[in-house]
Amino acid sequence: GQNIDQPTEMTATEGAIVQINCTYQTSGFNGLFWYQQHAGEAPTFLSYNVLDGLEEKGRFSSFLSRSKGYSYLLLKELQMKDSASYLCAVTNYGGATNKLIFGTGTLLAVQP
Amino acid sequence: NAGVTQTPKFQVLKTGQSMTLQCAQDMNHEYMSWYRQDPGMGLRLIHYSVGAGITDQGEVPNGYNVSRSTTEDFPLRLLSAAPSQTSVYFCASSYGGPTEAFFGQGTRLTVV
Repeated sequence: GQNIDQPTEMTATEGAIVQINCTYQTSGFNGLFWYQQHAGEAPTFLSYNVLDGLEEKGRFSSFLSRSKGYSYLLLKELQMKDSASYLCAVTNYGGATNKLIFGTGTLLAVQP
Repeated sequence: NAGVTQTPKFQVLKTGQSMTLQCAQDMNHEYMSWYRQDPGMGLRLIHYSVGAGITDQGEVPNGYNVSRSTTEDFPLRLLSAAPSQTSVYFCASSYGGPTEAFFGQGTRLTVV
């Protein structure tokens, strides 16, 4: 079976740093994606991790530990526009991104 | 630069009616997928395709049919709509392998 867990909601302050955690249990793990989804819009790609360690991309970084089944998304210098849902998704079945398994998402509210 | 285009954006159906949700992409992606998104459930895979003429079932395929006669188009058919199919439907495409999936803007379907 497959199970992906994320906190349902988080609140943070503009200018601060927030870490959104994701734990997973899957068979044949082959990579982890983070997507951002604003209310009423489509998910958009943020990051992809297949090896252990930290991937940095501007204000956003993503970390993966395959042995622990754990990832986090780190958002720095928070802006109001970062208020959105953040979706963790894993891919197995040979790495085909057309078979992404999503968590339920973390709704982040950034306050002034 | 259209990307992934879904039509219609909104639809109301009566129980028992049938309809087709359209999805087209202009990026020459081989992989295309359909997801549904429900509150508290995250995105769930309905059907997917790895190329023209090839389709397969995802997590929640019952009540839906798909076909892939061209690389560009991947329509989703509801055979006999039920209130349980009220949801937001997203189509996605990708090159395949460890690359990002691009999502359409979604179709919000209500079955009454």
